[in-house]
Amino acid sequence: GDSVTQTEGLVTVTEGLPVKLNCTYQTTYLTIAFFWYVQYLNEAPQVLLRSSTDNKRTEHQGFHATLHKSSSSFHLQKSSAQLSDSALYYCALRPPGGNYKPTFGKGTSLVVHP
Amino acid sequence: NAGVIQTPRHKVTGKGQEATLWCEPISGHSAVFWYRQTIVQGLEFLTYFRNQAPIDDSGMPKERFSAQMPNQSHSTLKIQSTQPQDSAVYLCASSFDRGIDTQYFGPGTRLLVL
Repeated sequence: GDSVTQTEGLVTVTEGLPVKLNCTYQTTYLTIAFFWYVQYLNEAPQVLLRSSTDNKRTEHQGFHATLHKSSSSFHLQKSSAQLSDSALYYCALRPPGGNYKPTFGKGTSLVVHP
Repeated sequence: NAGVIQTPRHKVTGKGQEATLWCEPISGHSAVFWYRQTIVQGLEFLTYFRNQAPIDDSGMPKERFSAQMPNQSHSTLKIQSTQPQDSAVYLCASSFDRGIDTQYFGPGTRLLVL
């Protein structure tokens, strides 16, 4: 079956510095959709980014991610972390067309400190 | 658009009692997902309905958990003979269902089994 690996359970970064959250995957599907969801404290997860196009950069709210099928990765990056970015981040994938469940990584907690 | 509605928001049960959790998906969404979230396990997929039909329940503990979607406007997750290890936040999400579609999560039901 499909799998998503987020290698870091916790990432801490100083405000203003760049941050990168890792996401790699395994799947047998050639076409697949990828998502980053963010969950702020005491809130529900919400989508941050999504992509299904190889080597195309996707951006939202200062974050960006590029799907690289050659390395099976969809890392999330931001050039300058803000205190308000502190949250739990999930990487997820789902094959197209329905009838397939989504697969989530274990999540990475991002803590941005002054 | 009220978003995904989940009731109750908090539920406390005694060991061995039954718990029923309710979810009202966003109108027009054809897919409904149930997840369990804990600090240790992260976000765990439980089950998924498409156009009210059960598609994948591979994440459901077989003996005490059941889910239904009797109509397009609500789904229920029932846990019989609750155990302390069932304590978690149960999240419901809905989406259109082409695989590439974003899931919209409800606020969750926090279940505490004493």
